[in-house]
This record gives sequence, structure tokens and C-alpha cells, in this order.
Amino acid sequence: EAGVTQFPSHSVIEKGQTVTLRCDPISGHDNLYWYRRVMGKEIKFLLHFVKESKQDESGMPNNRFLAERTGGTYSTLKVQPAELEDSGVYFCASSQASGFDEQYFGPGTRLTVT
Amino acid sequence: GENVEQHPSTLSVQEGDSAVIKCTYSDSASNYFPWYKQELGKRPQLIIDIRSNVGEKKDQRIAVTLNKTAKHFSLHITETQPEDSAVYFCAARHDKIIFGKGTRLHILP
Repeated sequence: EAGVTQFPSHSVIEKGQTVTLRCDPISGHDNLYWYRRVMGKEIKFLLHFVKESKQDESGMPNNRFLAERTGGTYSTLKVQPAELEDSGVYFCASSQASGFDEQYFGPGTRLTVT
Repeated sequence: GENVEQHPSTLSVQEGDSAVIKCTYSDSASNYFPWYKQELGKRPQLIIDIRSNVGEKKDQRIAVTLNKTAKHFSLHITETQPEDSAVYFCAARHDKIIFGKGTRLHILP
């Protein structure tokens, strides 16, 4: 069984540019989560999809971030325009159900904004 | 808001000794407490979890304890081995998972 995959693994962009991160969850997992870790800090929740619907987007920092999951399969997270403080590692995770179900993490995308 | 405090931020222990990582949480409604291990260059992986109706859980060399009254929980690793070197994250969940800042564990030869 393939795990959660993310693309790209690393992205370096200039301030003001746009970047789109992609996450492919484990097949059959309805729940998809986005997290971000800034160096040395906690893995911070961004949002949670159940199928194609946003269940909880309380962690999204501001309206420069837009997440989509059309069709309830893969998800994209777009940052537009990127700012320096957006640098960090963006993790995606998926689970079959919510609640106590284990969340399986992707390898992360390291975003560097210069 | 909800938060999870994790200590220490770094921990070095001699191979074979025990390691303990402690976390506290603020949301008294939290009912699920997973621990994730992230090895260098790899993704976080769940190593053990505990639900709020249980005070202790053990899996081979790893154990977690939960004190709901004090709102703290701990990870215990016994007979540490070199492959235990990693960053460990505690987390608490009510409606969403809140992670601690992580503990970098070094196992010294």
C-alpha cells in the first residue's frame, strides 16, 4: 500500500511569488490534514478535509493560503503571495476515519521563501 | 487557546539507559494522546498512543502514562538503542490534534 505522498519535496521561491503544494493521501482515506512546522517549533494544524469538504480550517494563518480537495482525492495548498514567515515544512496526513484513527504523515514539503 | 507544552527540547542519554519526555496540555476535553517519532529526513510516524480512559500503556520498550487530573502525559523509553535517536512529538486531541514542539533525543554510545 502506497503511503501519503507530497510534491514537491523542496521548493525555494522569492517573496511575492506563488507556490502550490500537493498531497496525495492513502487511497480510501476520507480525512486529509495539512500541518506546518516552522524550524524548532511545534507541528501546527492548518486544516482538515473530510472528503472534499473543509471540516476545520481554523489553523489557516490568513487569506494568502488556499487549500482545495476537489473530488475528495488529492489536495493542494496554495500560498499567494508568499511571505518570508511562510517558510517551513508543510506536512500532509491522512486517516481513514477521524477521532482515534492514526494519521499517516507524508514526507513533507520544505518551503523556503527568500 | 489550546496548547501542548513539551520538555525537554533536547535530551541526551547513554545507550541502555532510560529516556523520559514529558508533556502537559491545556484543553481538559482532550481525549486522545498520540506520540510521533521523526527520524532524520523521514516523516513523523506514530509510535504509541493512549486514550483518556487509560492511565498507562506499554509496547515493548515504550510506555506512556497519562494523568488526566494534572493534564500531563509522558513517554518512557527503556533500554535505549542508537535507533531511538530522533525527534519525538507529543500531541493531544479534542477536535483537532495539537502538537508539542518536539524533543530531540540523542542516544550516546
